[in-house]
Amino acid sequence: QTVVTQEPSLTVSPGGTVTLTCASSTGAVTNGNYPNWFQQRPGQPPRALIYSVDNKYSWTPARFSGSLLGGKAGLKLLNAQPEDEADYYCLLHSGGAWVFGGGTKLTVL
Amino acid sequence: EVQLEQSGAEMNKPGESLRISCKVSGYRFTSYWISWVRQMPGKGLEWVATIDPSDSYTRYGPSFQGRVTISGDKSISTAYLQWRSLEASDTAIYYCVRHNLKAVAGVPYWFFDLWGRGTLVTVSS
Repeated sequence: QTVVTQEPSLTVSPGGTVTLTCASSTGAVTNGNYPNWFQQRPGQPPRALIYSVDNKYSWTPARFSGSLLGGKAGLKLLNAQPEDEADYYCLLHSGGAWVFGGGTKLTVL
Repeated sequence: EVQLEQSGAEMNKPGESLRISCKVSGYRFTSYWISWVRQMPGKGLEWVATIDPSDSYTRYGPSFQGRVTISGDKSISTAYLQWRSLEASDTAIYYCVRHNLKAVAGVPYWFFDLWGRGTLVTVSS
C-alpha cells in the first residue's frame, strides 16, 4: 500500500515564496501518478488547485504552480497572501488506487 | 449550475446501517467518475471508493474494501455510499468529488474539479 508523504507544516512570510512537496513510498513521482493538489480552508470542503502535475483550473490563482522536482511532486506558491493560509493535500494514483498525502498546514506569517 | 448536492448530517448508533447520497446537476451523470473521500475529525483526506456511473465499475481503498459499498442510480443522477453496520470509527465528514480522465494530443490527464460540501456522519451510542 502506497504511502504519500508531505511536510506536516510550513511557514511563509506574506509576499514570500514556498514549495510544498509530495513523495511516494514506491519511488519517484511521475506523470503516471497524475499528481493533483487541493487547498482546504477551515470548515470548508477541499478546492482543486492543480491537476496532473502542472495544469491549472480557471479559478486557480496564477501565483500557484505545480511541477515534478527531485522525484517528488511540488506545489509552488509565489507572493503568498494571507488567504493562502490553509491545509494543502496532494493526491497520487498508485497501484490502481488513489492515495492522499497527509497534508501540509501552511501558515502565512 | 454544475454542482454536487450531498445529503444532510446523520447521527446513528453502532451497528446501524446508513446510506448517504450525492446528487449531481448541471452535467451528465455518466460523463464523470464520482469518488467518496473521508475526513475524520481534525485529520486529513482519505480516498474511500470510486464509481464510473456509465458502467458501475467500482474501486475501493484498501482500508475500506468490505466496509462500505459505493453505487449509483443513473435515473436520478445520484451516487451513494452505504454501510451495513456502522462503527464509532466511521465518524467523519464524507465528501463526494467528481473526476475524469481526458486526453490531449494523446497525453492523459486526470482531474478532480468539483467537490460536494460534505456529509457529517456521527456514530455514537
